[in-house]
Amino acid sequence: QSALTQPASVSGSPGQSITISCTGTSSDVGGYNYVSWYQQHPGKAPKLMIYDVSKRPSGISDRFSGSKSGNTASLTISGLQAEDEADYFCCSYAGGSTWVFGGGTNLAV
Amino acid sequence: EVQLVESGGGLVQPGGSLRLSCAASEFTFSNYDMSWVRQAPGKGLEWVSTLSGGGGNSYYADSVKGRFTISRDNSKNTLYLQMNSLRVEDTAVYFCAKVSSVTTFFDYWGQGTLVTVSS
Repeated sequence: QSALTQPASVSGSPGQSITISCTGTSSDVGGYNYVSWYQQHPGKAPKLMIYDVSKRPSGISDRFSGSKSGNTASLTISGLQAEDEADYFCCSYAGGSTWVFGGGTNLAV
Repeated sequence: EVQLVESGGGLVQPGGSLRLSCAASEFTFSNYDMSWVRQAPGKGLEWVSTLSGGGGNSYYADSVKGRFTISRDNSKNTLYLQMNSLRVEDTAVYFCAKVSSVTTFFDYWGQGTLVTVSS
């Protein structure tokens, strides 16, 4: 149950695109197509942005997209906006009704 | 809109106990697995425990196994987390989260309740 590895911080200018990586193992990210991403503003609850690697919940902008290759998943945000500034956490199902999260990435816009 | 409201957090000494509650509304509570996820101050999220909709199957992170017990009362639409033998490292905001119907992600979260373990 080791945490997934994310960069501590990324930054971008309004209108640009950024990608956040999330590296796990064959027991979690690589073993299941069940990676999800959550956005968290300071003092707020996490909000689901992407599930099952690349699916967007209703109401989430198509500027947010997800992908996976091997043991590494990625979240891409295009057309950066000021309100995208937040912490982003990846999460992978790890079998047996257990999950593992990443350490989080702070996005500065 | 789904609502999850946690309560029961507070200051407790190391070795002490605390019970958290999560009141759920606007969905058929008994049909869904529910989880607790915590976040230590300034740190990332950590999955803590999950309980099946009927309450028959529970799962725990190694860090809390044997000390924490998850339970639910479907007649009251409430999820609980009994925390015993608390340690300083259990200090965190504890979030209640609804597991999606396909049980692969958390689709709704509460606002969290702060647990501080300190002497």
